[in-house]
Amino acid sequence: GAGVSQSPRYKVTKRGQDVALRCDPISGHVSLYWYRQALGQGPEFLTYFNYEAQQDKSGLPNDRFSAERPEGSISTLTIQRTEQRDSAMYRCASSRIFSGANVLTFGAGSRLTVL
Amino acid sequence: AQKVTQAQTEISVVEKEDVTLDCVYETRDTTYYLFWYKQPPSGELVFLIRRNSFDEQNEISGRYSWNFQKSTSSFNFTITASQVVDSAVYFCALSGGSNYQLIWGAGTKLIIKP
Repeated sequence: GAGVSQSPRYKVTKRGQDVALRCDPISGHVSLYWYRQALGQGPEFLTYFNYEAQQDKSGLPNDRFSAERPEGSISTLTIQRTEQRDSAMYRCASSRIFSGANVLTFGAGSRLTVL
Repeated sequence: AQKVTQAQTEISVVEKEDVTLDCVYETRDTTYYLFWYKQPPSGELVFLIRRNSFDEQNEISGRYSWNFQKSTSSFNFTITASQVVDSAVYFCALSGGSNYQLIWGAGTKLIIKP
């Protein structure tokens, strides 16, 4: 697509439920990144993919968080057994190539609220 | 370790004033990249500029200018003749030459009053 698309834009869930956040990157972009942004803070790296391969998941807070990108395009970030501390804006970004010089194009984000 | 510090949490100025947003970074990489992103009230993150560590030339784009000084590890952003539409949170970010992660500052909220 023309931009990075994320869904849902807003998700309210009860503690203990699983949630899945979806990211559709710009067509042809090799790298896809997940960031989390708490209110009043800068984004925090979670994980990233080159094509379908998850290159680094060191930023995932714990094993309740997982991500996949099975066909090298759309990615899903899954949070199991959600907790209130998981409430945040989850941002997906993509870039044309993999490089530290990459300019990331961000989606509008998925705001997760865990009650 | 890499770190980005934006010491100004919030700045409020009257329209048409000039304003400078500070960014100080720490890195041991000799090759690195610095970025500024804008987050308007609508919430998206919009890329403004990228600078590599070998290019210390200042850049001007319309009312925006950036001052990169390796000697003080700073990459400051100045808006000249500010406008209400400039109101946003501005983030400075850093990536090392071999590091795919962007390390972000906490952001500076800029309020431009009419």
